[in-house]
Amino acid sequence: SQQGEEDPQALSIQEGENATMNCSYKTSINNLQWYRQNSGRGLVHLILIRSNEREKHSGRLRVTLDTSKKSSSLLITASRAADTASYFCASLSMEYGNKLVFGAGTILRVKS
Amino acid sequence: DGGITQSPKYLFRKEGQNVTLSCEQNLNHDAMYWYRQDPGQGLRLIYYSQIVNDFQKGDIAEGYSVSREKKESFPLTVTSAQKNPTAFYLCASARGQAQGGTEAFFGQGTRLTVV
Repeated sequence: SQQGEEDPQALSIQEGENATMNCSYKTSINNLQWYRQNSGRGLVHLILIRSNEREKHSGRLRVTLDTSKKSSSLLITASRAADTASYFCASLSMEYGNKLVFGAGTILRVKS
Repeated sequence: DGGITQSPKYLFRKEGQNVTLSCEQNLNHDAMYWYRQDPGQGLRLIYYSQIVNDFQKGDIAEGYSVSREKKESFPLTVTSAQKNPTAFYLCASARGQAQGGTEAFFGQGTRLTVV
């Protein structure tokens, strides 16, 4: 399987704190994407970082990518209770014909 | 409204029956994907398609089949050969390689239960 790993599996923090989630992947990629899933729903795209980029920001989100280590991290700053959800990274590999493979996810709980 | 629609939302299947899950998109996306999600788990890729009349097996294709006769539609059939089909199924679409390749848009999912 090309599915990567994510850590931690679960994270519980207080409102206002920062949350950091990490992701590793196995193949060469064209881009790395982060998604959010509320319980029992579809996934919503958060941010995409291309293989030639090292860092990207979007609002309270900051993503980094290290292609030499085949890893990425997602930082959510000043977390809110509404950020409580599961977060997944996904690697897109055009080498395998636009194959989009997801990691196992991190369950984030933000306590108010 | 542009988007991706999965139906039905809930589906019950008797053992030994085949069932087909629908996925339709009006985003003019070339690429479409099917994933399976088990409780508390990540998404596992079943099949994906980059273009009409072409598709590739993902990591867990056994017991499933797909077709891509139209750009807008990518139905998934869960066959009787799938030993443990109870799961949440998610369909997604994205711009393909020729379109620049970008983020995927997901449907709301179909929850399949074997009774």
